[in-house]
Amino acid sequence: DAGVTQSPTHLIKTRGQHVTLRCSPISGHKSVSWYQQVLGQGPQFIFQYYEKEERGRGNFPDRFSARQFPNYSSELNVNALLLGDSALYLCASSFGTGAEAFFGQGTRLTVV
Amino acid sequence: GIQVEQSPPDLILQEGANSTLRCNFSDSVNNLQWFHQNPWGQLINLFYIPSGTKQNGRLSATTVATERYSLLYISSSQTTDSGVYFCAVGSNDYKLSFGAGTTVTVRA
Repeated sequence: DAGVTQSPTHLIKTRGQHVTLRCSPISGHKSVSWYQQVLGQGPQFIFQYYEKEERGRGNFPDRFSARQFPNYSSELNVNALLLGDSALYLCASSFGTGAEAFFGQGTRLTVV
Repeated sequence: GIQVEQSPPDLILQEGANSTLRCNFSDSVNNLQWFHQNPWGQLINLFYIPSGTKQNGRLSATTVATERYSLLYISSSQTTDSGVYFCAVGSNDYKLSFGAGTTVTVRA
């Protein structure tokens, strides 16, 4: 079975640009969460979606948005990129809230 | 939110040695996971252990939920065990809260 897949794996963007990151969950998983990990720190929660509805949002500005599609895949969008948005973005899927979470390989975003 | 503290922050081991990593958390949880982050950044699931004890090969974990801590044991360490180990916890909400990690270096 395929695990959680994310695309792209690496991305370089210029300040002020917009970026879209994509995630496909494990088959049968209805919950997708997004995390940001900056160098030297643990991942920080950004969003969770369950059954296509936003269930939670972390302490991130409105420049960050996300959505979940009918097939449970998800997109994370970041507008007006700042240098500080450079990080590893991780997607996790789980069967439901509180269930074991499985992570994708991440998208490494560099903003220059 | 739940606070998660991991100790020690860094651990240097000689190949073959045993070690214990600790995770303290500030509130009751219904989800606790241990991960190993590989050099490419992927988080590899080690244990899903909100309570009790589990073993998988040379690794084992114990969570004492009533005392709000979990331990990860590495026995007979190998160089491939090197990397960052994260503890993450969740309560009756939607997110995992991660500790800052323990960086393990195993020397041949």
